[in-house]
Amino acid sequence: EVQLVESGGGLVQPGGSLRLSCAASGFAFSNYWMSWVRQVPGRGLEWVADINEDGSATYYVDSVKGRFTVYRDNGKNSLYLQMNRLRVDDTAVYYCARDPGVAAAHTVGHFDFWGQGALIAVSS
Amino acid sequence: AIWVTQSPSLLPASSGDRVTITCRVSQDVRTYLAWYRQKPGKAPELLISGASTLQSGVPSRFSGSGSGTEFTLTISRLQSEDFGTYFCQQYDKFPLNFGGGTKVEI
Repeated sequence: EVQLVESGGGLVQPGGSLRLSCAASGFAFSNYWMSWVRQVPGRGLEWVADINEDGSATYYVDSVKGRFTVYRDNGKNSLYLQMNRLRVDDTAVYYCARDPGVAAAHTVGHFDFWGQGALIAVSS
Repeated sequence: AIWVTQSPSLLPASSGDRVTITCRVSQDVRTYLAWYRQKPGKAPELLISGASTLQSGVPSRFSGSGSGTEFTLTISRLQSEDFGTYFCQQYDKFPLNFGGGTKVEI
C-alpha cells in the first residue's frame, strides 16, 4: 500500500524557517518524481515544487523561488521541503504527492497519491 | 504560465443527476489534463489523467473528454459519495496550475 506521511508542520513567525518531511512507503520511491502541493484551508490547490527521480532537476512556482528548496534522500525514501523567509501568505496545508508520470513520455506533473497534509501557519 | 478556469464554481445537484464540469485553459495543453475530487478534510484523489483515462478503481460513471483548451468531466449518475469539490489541473508545462474548483453539493 502506498503511503506518504508528512511531518514538520507548525507555527512559525514571518521571516522564519521550517523544514517539511515526507516519508514514503509501499512503492519504489527512487523511481518516481515527487511533488509538494499546498492549499489554504477552504481555498483551491496550488502546486509548489517538483523534483525528478534522482533529485537532479527541480521546479518551483514563482512565489517560492529563492525561498523554498525541494530535495530528496532516496536511501531514506524521504522527500523534503526547506522553507526559508516564510511569509504570512505561505500559510497553508502542504501535501506531499507522488507523480506517476514519465519525463520521456511528457506525462510528469500530475499526482496519483497524496499524503494527509501538514499545516504551516505563518503568523506573528 | 497557463491559466486554468473551471465552471461552474458551485453545482447544486441531486443523486441520480447527470452533471458536467467544464475546464478551460489559456493555451493548448493537448491532453495533459487531470481531474481530482476532494472531500472535506481529506487530500485530493486522482480521478482522470490524460484528459480521459480513468484511474484504477474509479467508477465508470465518471468520464473525461476534450483536448487543446476545453475539457469536461461528466458524472453520468451522481451518487452520494460523489459530493465534494472537483479540480482540474494542466500538466503540459511548468508551472503546474489547478482550476479554482467546482463544489458539487446537494
